[in-house]
Amino acid sequence: KNEVEQSPQNLTAQEGEFITINCSYSVGISALHWLQQHPGGGIVSLFMLSSGKKKHGRLIATINIQEKHSSLHITASHPRDSAVYICAVIDKLIFGTGTRLQVFP
Amino acid sequence: DTAVSQTPKYLVTQMGNDKSIKCEQNLGHDTMYWYKQDSKKFLKIMFSYNNKELIINETVPNRFSPKSPDKAHLNLHINSLELGDSAVYFCASSQDPELSEQFFGPGTRLTVL
Repeated sequence: KNEVEQSPQNLTAQEGEFITINCSYSVGISALHWLQQHPGGGIVSLFMLSSGKKKHGRLIATINIQEKHSSLHITASHPRDSAVYICAVIDKLIFGTGTRLQVFP
Repeated sequence: DTAVSQTPKYLVTQMGNDKSIKCEQNLGHDTMYWYKQDSKKFLKIMFSYNNKELIINETVPNRFSPKSPDKAHLNLHINSLELGDSAVYFCASSQDPELSEQFFGPGTRLTVL
């Protein structure tokens, strides 16, 4: 069993839908990171969070430390959100396997 | 100005050769990283390094070694290249290893023939 697990592995959505990607971890953490990898390969750090909730535009990340679970939400999804989303416990060098999201017009 | 840069962008080489990939960050960050992304698109962290500590992912072969001439640079040396080393290698940096956002370089696609 991976120490960081994501679900779903693949996700398709219609433009405008609300998206949720889940991440569960079994290790103690200082912080959890959400990364986005575009189809062209570039990687962007979306969030780093250790408690509660953070919001950046249409993206919201939440974390529940007691339940060892984090979610990434995308409101009003758009085709440009199509990417691979990865959660990671970077200080422990552990990455999830990623969720491939495709949003269709 | 590019925050985290890598050279070369593409590298094609023969099995058995030794090669280096360079990484530079102009953000004044204390910690730098090397990642490998294989053909299945899984991203694996190889090294985390700051001026105090090198953290090595134990699954990384010792043919791979990071070398840091100064705080702004972390180069990746690979000895005796193997076919399985073909991948995209990403460099990244952050202010500290635990509680800071990471900034990624554009990646170097290594092909070993």
